[in-house]
Amino acid sequence: AQSVTQLGSHVSVSEGALVLLRCNYSSSVPPYLFWYVQYPNQGLQLLLKYTTGATLVKGINGFEAEFKKSETSFHLTKPSAHMSDAAEYFCAVRGVNTGTASKLTFGTGTRLQVTL
Amino acid sequence: EAGVAQSPRYKIIEKRQSVAFWCNPISGHATLYWYQQILGQGPKLLIQFQNNGVVDDSQLPKDRFSAERLKGVDSTLKIQPAKLEDSAVYLCASSLAVTEQYFGPGTRLTVT
Repeated sequence: AQSVTQLGSHVSVSEGALVLLRCNYSSSVPPYLFWYVQYPNQGLQLLLKYTTGATLVKGINGFEAEFKKSETSFHLTKPSAHMSDAAEYFCAVRGVNTGTASKLTFGTGTRLQVTL
Repeated sequence: EAGVAQSPRYKIIEKRQSVAFWCNPISGHATLYWYQQILGQGPKLLIQFQNNGVVDDSQLPKDRFSAERLKGVDSTLKIQPAKLEDSAVYLCASSLAVTEQYFGPGTRLTVT
């Protein structure tokens, strides 16, 4: 079984400050890991993903995340927050060896607020 | 490239009524997913189609929810009869490769 825990349902940062959104996962098989962003009244947009290879992955809008197997973590970071980053962020996991079933298991989300 | 299309965007119904949602995936995407997102929670997979066959419907409440994907393209999700706890956003997603899913804007259902 797979699960995702996102620490902190709300995170507030000042514009220009570091953004750190935490995600820990549990998976019985090697995972694929994802971060999605959801703006109000919109669907989810993929920010970045880890499948294999380099553990530091870069995504859109200046975000990046590092897969740390020893810590079962996949935290999302951005060096400098912008007002347009205010949104809901979801971490998700998918087991690699699940055959044709590619179900994503999502965390409960972290709402990022960016203040002036 | 056109994205995943969903309609309607918003729907308000009374409990015990029926409702249907429609999804048109990205052209060429064989896999289609329906997720339920309750307020304050992450999306939960209801059903996954590969072409017009069901791959996973383990979390679909089959006594009231049904879904079909005729001809392996667009899909319809139906709820009959609706309950208050069905109030949620229903997201459709599609994928070509299993590592990336593209989501539509969702249908926000309110059951009163």
